[in-house]
Order: sequence, then C-alpha cells, then structure tokens
Amino acid sequence: ETGVTQSPTHLIKTRGQQVTLRCSSQSGHNTVSWYQQALGQGPQFIFQYYREEENGRGNFPPRFSGLQFPNYSSELNVNALELDDSALYLCASSSDRGTNEKLFFGSGTQLSVL
Amino acid sequence: QKEVEQNSGPLSVPEGAIASLNCTYSDRVSQSFFWYRQYSGKSPELIMSIYSNGDKEDGRFTAQLNKASQYVSLLIRDSQPSDSATYLCAVRSNQAGTALIFGKGTTLSVSS
Repeated sequence: ETGVTQSPTHLIKTRGQQVTLRCSSQSGHNTVSWYQQALGQGPQFIFQYYREEENGRGNFPPRFSGLQFPNYSSELNVNALELDDSALYLCASSSDRGTNEKLFFGSGTQLSVL
Repeated sequence: QKEVEQNSGPLSVPEGAIASLNCTYSDRVSQSFFWYRQYSGKSPELIMSIYSNGDKEDGRFTAQLNKASQYVSLLIRDSQPSDSATYLCAVRSNQAGTALIFGKGTTLSVSS
C-alpha cells in the first residue's frame, strides 16, 4: 500500500471524447508524476507537477494536460481521445524532485477507448 | 532518444534457482536506477534502487550496477513461484524533473 490513490479504476470511453483521471498523493508529498503504460510496454512519462506547476513533460501531445491542486492532488485530462490512448494510467507521488527520489505508484486507471 | 533495453523473455527458471535479469541504458549521465516488479493487471512495485557501482543486496534480491558498461542487473536467489511477474528496469533522467525511463520489462516464470 503506497498511500497513492487513483480514481476511477476502470473507464470506457469512445474515440473523440474527453476524460479526467484523478490522483491523491501520499501525505506529505508535493510532487505528482503521471505515466502511461500500454499493453506489453513499460510506463512512459507524461508529465510531472511540483507545487501546482508543471515541472517536466514527456513526448505527449498538448491534448494531454494536467492540474495539481493546493492539497497536491492531481488530475490528468485527455481531450479528443484516440484508440491508442487505451492504456493503464499510473500516478506516483514523491516528496521532492531529487534525482534519487523513489517513486511509488498508485493502483492505476485502466482506460479503454472504443 | 534515451533508451532502456531489456530482454522481454520469458525467462523460465525452476523453483529454488537463481534468476538473472539484465538491463542496459543509453544515457551516460544517468544517476539512479530502479527495479520494479509488476504482476499482471497490477501497478509496478518498487523492489530495489541502486545509485553507486557495485552490488546492493536486500534479502533474496541483489542489484548490480556498472556505469562504465551502462549495465544494471537484478539477481533473485531461491526463486519462488510468487516471483513470477514482469520486472521493469527504470533509469532516472536528468532532464525532465524526476522522470523515470522504463524498459519494456522481462517476464519471469518460476516453475514449482
């Protein structure tokens, strides 16, 4: 149990729709990272938020956006869903941005786009 | 393009044997290295971290790092059927905050 909670656990959407995924970080953690894991692949970094500001972004298009709130919880928004967006979306929180910081993942949201 | 390479497997070992999982990475300035275990349908679980050259042991697990060869490995001694999972190697990028770059994972199967 990492203390990182994600909702919902499963979601089914159709192509072109929009989706919002939510993450509550572990108590005391001010940094949240989001990853996308397609079937048979390793997780890929989407972006990171530190104290409500985007602090780094992977190779994902602008239709992937996020927010971090004053309580350090976070949302991942995906607009204009495509079939290839079907994946497990993972959230991880951490207490700083240091390079040695370990990341502990929540249980993930499984998104299916039909 | 920074990459982390792993043999996808499956790697099959009998119960009680040593399982050896390997990983290479392309970014020479990477500083931190992690092994995650992922059971089917579950999220990755951190099992080992290593930052310096050499070996680091934790119970039945030993991580080995060789920065000159850009190589990191995980040894699992006395393998158990419950160790059957996908093992993900992850390397810390120094550019995008604390982003981890993951390999595709190696599937380990331990037979009883």
